[in-house]
Amino acid sequence: EIVMTQSPATLSVSPGERATLSCRASQGVSRNLAWYQQKAGQAPRLLIYGASARAIGIPATFSGSGSGTEFTLTISSLQSEDFAVYYCQQYNNWPYTFGQGTKLEIK
Amino acid sequence: QVHLQESGPGLVRPSQTLSLTCTVSGDSINSGEFYWTWIRQPPGKGLEWIGYIHYSGSTYYIPSLKSRVSISMDTSKNQLSLKLRSITAADTAFYYCARGGGWFDPWGQGTLVTVSS
Repeated sequence: EIVMTQSPATLSVSPGERATLSCRASQGVSRNLAWYQQKAGQAPRLLIYGASARAIGIPATFSGSGSGTEFTLTISSLQSEDFAVYYCQQYNNWPYTFGQGTKLEIK
Repeated sequence: QVHLQESGPGLVRPSQTLSLTCTVSGDSINSGEFYWTWIRQPPGKGLEWIGYIHYSGSTYYIPSLKSRVSISMDTSKNQLSLKLRSITAADTAFYYCARGGGWFDPWGQGTLVTVSS
């Protein structure tokens, strides 16, 4: 099973600033990596798939990069609605696995 | 617009079988284009992919649950189902259905299942 490790566990950023979230896979997953946003009391929402392709309706302030074992989600100019928990997920190998999440909080 | 809605008992006794249904609207589960997935999340914790099913009958289950879980489809009702046998308190979680066999989009709102006597 591929272990996905996200860092940091909690990230404090001020509105208007940039946030950079990291995800590392225990073995290479090519670009078969997705990012999700989960707000309190809601289901996760797909942001990014294929490591860098934005899902329908996701603003350009969200961008993904990386391949192999190292991935990054960048949120430029944070808005109040962006403060949430973010998960990465690999779908290169069964069983598909998620990272433990990064909580993005207001500084 | 595709919409998924989970339903089932909110409380299940230990050792019993958990049965959940996901009703899909705005897409046909028998189109063959997508896989249909179940994911769970213990309260306050992270996400765990349970498994998925394709119209062709192909299924895959996470090894840790494989002996207890089954996912099926009812194409006449455009629904997928999850059954989890011999449940324990460790199975207490929000259960989500979602469309997709790689990335998952969209998701249902989820349903909380509590295992308690």
